[in-house]
Amino acid sequence: EADIYQTPRYLVIGTGKKITLECSQTMGHDKMYWYQQDPGMELHLIHYSYGVNSTEKGDLSSESTVSRIRTEHFPLTLESARPSHTSQYLCASSELGLAKTNTGELFFGEGSRLTVL
Amino acid sequence: AQRVTQPEKLLSVFKGAPVELKCNYSYSGSPELFWYVQYSRQRLQLLLRHISRESIKGFTADLNKGETSFHLKKPFAQEEDSAMYYCALSEKAGNNRKLIWGLGTSLAVNP
Repeated sequence: EADIYQTPRYLVIGTGKKITLECSQTMGHDKMYWYQQDPGMELHLIHYSYGVNSTEKGDLSSESTVSRIRTEHFPLTLESARPSHTSQYLCASSELGLAKTNTGELFFGEGSRLTVL
Repeated sequence: AQRVTQPEKLLSVFKGAPVELKCNYSYSGSPELFWYVQYSRQRLQLLLRHISRESIKGFTADLNKGETSFHLKKPFAQEEDSAMYYCALSEKAGNNRKLIWGLGTSLAVNP
């Protein structure tokens, strides 16, 4: 079944640890995104990718990094986690191109809730 | 400057009452607008898009270019409508499109 998967769903770690949040999609989409959702529920784009070997920083500055070696996989890494990184991270994919046939819809994963102590 | 404005962070109504979640936008071209919804403990998902002119779960949204608005409406709110609602605008970004998000409105439908 075509879907977008995020792991782990919940992660509690100590300051200074390196973490990777995994995101995989079987939708066949070229475009993938990472959003940070703060406690006030605002959505902030932190990274996006329009295809393999393409990554860009989003609107909100983030100390995290991403990679896109395979179309279906878009992991996010924090080299040294801090309490300020505590948040909900949402991965999404889409076909947000200019073709008239595309619907412009983003498909989201269930999210990874990160708590850094 | 914010391109998509949702003026209400919280909206509380009683079951059976009409509900309107406001969304205003600024965009120079022909806008493509969406409403996304996030129910408690569920993933964020598309509710409706303006080009479809459809009604989903009793919700409708009409694009008013004169008022640059895309308000989401439902005549009789239900408790299961309680959720976080985001308005979003799709704009051209090179050869791709980019979604501009509002800050969201939390709707609480009280029994």
